[in-house]
Amino acid sequence: EAQVTQNPRYLITVTGKKLTVTCSQNMNHEYMSWYRQDPGLGLRQIYYSMNVEVTDKGDVPEGYKVSRKEKRNFPLILESPSPNQTSLYFCASRRSGGPYEQYFGPGTRLTVT
Amino acid sequence: GDSVTQMEGPVTLSEEAFLTINCTYTATGYPSLFWYVQYPGEGLQLLLKATKADDKGSNKGFEATYRKETTSFHLEKGSVQVSDSAVYFCALKAMDSSYKLIFGSGTRLLVRP
Repeated sequence: EAQVTQNPRYLITVTGKKLTVTCSQNMNHEYMSWYRQDPGLGLRQIYYSMNVEVTDKGDVPEGYKVSRKEKRNFPLILESPSPNQTSLYFCASRRSGGPYEQYFGPGTRLTVT
Repeated sequence: GDSVTQMEGPVTLSEEAFLTINCTYTATGYPSLFWYVQYPGEGLQLLLKATKADDKGSNKGFEATYRKETTSFHLEKGSVQVSDSAVYFCALKAMDSSYKLIFGSGTRLLVRP
């Protein structure tokens, strides 16, 4: 089954404690991205990757890091989480090029206290 | 810059009522337009898309027509069901971008039996 998986689905942590949210896709997609979803703001892109070892900032990259060492994986790293990073996070992937469908993971709800 | 504006929700309807969710966009040229749906506790799924002016996207009884003259892509359904209760996102992919989707803020639909 074609899918994007994220782990963990739910995470409660404290300010300053480094965490990683994993993302993996099994569709051999070149393009992957991370979004955060906040009430009234829709989805905002954090980082994206066009292929292995190629990443770039989205609209709200501050406080986040990513890496793309393998085509299937695109982890999101919060080196020192703060309460304003409490949000619902989605990983997504798609084929590069035309208006192809973007596939989303199930989401990770992060709470930073 | 490019942007998408959706009507604010929530939209509350009775089963079998007619649904319209308004979406307008700002972009240069001819972007591709999408509607995504997010069911409770899940990630976003592509509902329908249109890639050029006057195209009509349709799926699961939902329709939307790409209107260049009014820069709109309104979502409609003739008879909603309780199972249609979800959050609906309008999105665009700019002509000059192979990768980035720009989302509206989302409209929550609640259908009562």
